[in-house]
Amino acid sequence: SQTIHQWPATLVQPVGSPLSLECTVEGTSNPNLYWYRQAAGRGLQLLFYSVGIGQISSEVPQNLSASRPQDRQFILSSKKLLLSDSGFYLCAWAPLGAYNEQFFGPGTRLTVL
Amino acid sequence: DQQVKQNSPSLSVQEGRISILNCDYTNSMFDYFLWYKKYPAEGPTFLISISSIKDKNEDGRFTVFLNKSAKHLSLHIVPSQPGDSAVYFCAASAWYSGGGADGLTFGKGTHLIIQP
Repeated sequence: SQTIHQWPATLVQPVGSPLSLECTVEGTSNPNLYWYRQAAGRGLQLLFYSVGIGQISSEVPQNLSASRPQDRQFILSSKKLLLSDSGFYLCAWAPLGAYNEQFFGPGTRLTVL
Repeated sequence: DQQVKQNSPSLSVQEGRISILNCDYTNSMFDYFLWYKKYPAEGPTFLISISSIKDKNEDGRFTVFLNKSAKHLSLHIVPSQPGDSAVYFCAASAWYSGGGADGLTFGKGTHLIIQP
């Protein structure tokens, strides 16, 4: 069966510090991978998605970036965090060719102070 | 421009009664709809889905109804149980219309509270 992992579970960072959140998927090959952010009262906002290694599509311009160095690894990064980057970050995967079915990881709670 | 709208931020229902969560959409290309359930500090979990060729899909206590002409769908939970207390997200995609890999558009969610 497929499993999706995210870490860390919680993170408190000062403004201006860098960020690296990691997501890995097990039990599937060539998944589509997604990063979402849930900010208070704002639902789930798609940040990035990837259809393959090294292929990243950005949905929202911001100071975040994403990378996919391996088939089942998706990384969300920032060089300098802003207060507005606080939120709950969710990684999700979808089976190859079934983009309408997405399965979410446990999430990372990021607080920028 | 919000293409998927959940106009009720919260809903309170007595245990044992029916919970009805509503969702409206504006994009006529959407043809596949999903409901996700989310507990605090956890990722959303898939609950039930429906394609545009159907107007009803049932799975145990959960039923989703789709009214394409009104661009409206609803999730019915009968009977409501305390464990149903969570945030419910409606999501839509243009899957059969050739939508891209960006996949799903989510509503803002409705917080369902089941009272004993």
